[in-house]
Amino acid sequence: GAGVSQTPSNKVTEKGKYVELRCDPISGHTALYWYRQSLGQGPEFLIYFQGTGAADDSGLPNDRFFAVRPEGSVSTLKIQRTERGDSAVYLCASSPGTSQSTDTQYFGPGTRLTVL
Amino acid sequence: AQSVTQLGSHVSVSEGALVLLRCNYSSSVPPYLFWYVQYPNQGLQLLLKYTTGATLVKGINGFEAEFKKSETSFHLTKPSAHMSDAAEYFCAVTAATGGFKTIFGAGTRLFVKA
Repeated sequence: GAGVSQTPSNKVTEKGKYVELRCDPISGHTALYWYRQSLGQGPEFLIYFQGTGAADDSGLPNDRFFAVRPEGSVSTLKIQRTERGDSAVYLCASSPGTSQSTDTQYFGPGTRLTVL
Repeated sequence: AQSVTQLGSHVSVSEGALVLLRCNYSSSVPPYLFWYVQYPNQGLQLLLKYTTGATLVKGINGFEAEFKKSETSFHLTKPSAHMSDAAEYFCAVTAATGGFKTIFGAGTRLFVKA
């Protein structure tokens, strides 16, 4: 079956602009995660959804970052007033939602965001 | 709070040689431990995970890891490296008490020489 997909694969924007990054999880997966991966680093947790609700958003760096999952499937990560430091690969993962701690997470290919 | 340390950002081995990638964790509660692999131009995929039970865990592609609580380690090994094993490997930890976050290490890039 289809895996996790993310669009766009690459996004170049100018400092101060607004961007939206989309994630389509594996069908039937109730849990969805967003991570940010900077060069030379491992993925850094941003937010976790169980269904439509954000169960843990403690990784969002500041109030310029926001994510939604209105119907419990597709999720959008929104970044306002982008800064150069936001440049990174943004990863999305989904899991069945059986156990938050032990579920295998299935990752998408990521969106590479470049802020000029 | 949990944390993960991967010793060595780069490891180089010859084809056929033992692969050993080191991971140490810090956790105030019993951890669940994972190894993920990222091949060039691909997304991360699970190699293996430790949740409960047997401390020696076998994964895909001949990899295995052993959870050693006394050493707070979860090192990844493979007896004989293949060229196709060249990739970046990430160790990760989650909490066993309902925590939602997965904490990843910085990664170790494995190079395999012919």
